[in-house]
Amino acid sequence: AQSVTQPDIHITVSEGASLELRCNYSYGATPYLFWYVQSPGQGLQLLLKYFSGDTLVQGIKGFEAEFKRSQSSFNLRKPSVHWSDAAEYFCAVNDYKLSFGAGTTVTVRA
Amino acid sequence: DSGVTQTPKHLITATGQRVTLRCSPRSGDLSVYWYQQSLDQGLQFLIHYYNGEERAKGNILERFSAQQFPDLHSELNLSSLELGDSALYFCASSVGTGGTEETQYFGPGTRLLVL
Repeated sequence: AQSVTQPDIHITVSEGASLELRCNYSYGATPYLFWYVQSPGQGLQLLLKYFSGDTLVQGIKGFEAEFKRSQSSFNLRKPSVHWSDAAEYFCAVNDYKLSFGAGTTVTVRA
Repeated sequence: DSGVTQTPKHLITATGQRVTLRCSPRSGDLSVYWYQQSLDQGLQFLIHYYNGEERAKGNILERFSAQQFPDLHSELNLSSLELGDSALYFCASSVGTGGTEETQYFGPGTRLLVL
């Protein structure tokens, strides 16, 4: 079955520091990959998606993700974190349904 | 705001009862998906409808059923509720038949608490 794994359950980062969230996928063909963010008490908001082509994709809120086929990874990055980035982040692969990772909770300290 | 609406926002009910969750997709979207988010299972796909027809089923219990109406809104019916059904239920929509390249946009969710 197609799946994604998010190895980090919780990450704490200082405001202004860089952030990288890991995602590894298992998929036989070209994967269609997504990152979503869930703020406390909110729904899932799409940050960015990868379908094909360029391995670096830009998203909203200053996020970007790099697709590396050789490492089966699709890591999410942000150069400088803001307090409002505290949330839970989900990586997902679309195999006619979205299969989500377990999520990574990001805490931002002042 | 994704354009997907869900009602109600919160629902508190008792074991054994039946509830109906409602979802309206984004304007122009023909596919509706239901997901369950719980602490122990994470985010799980339940069911997918396209233009009124069931397209795929995931980990949906037999006590649960769904339908999509001609105006494209969808309802998820949960019956004989158990404590373990307490979760956040999300609806998502996409523009086409549900291909792997389609982006799914999520509603705000319905938080169900079974007491």
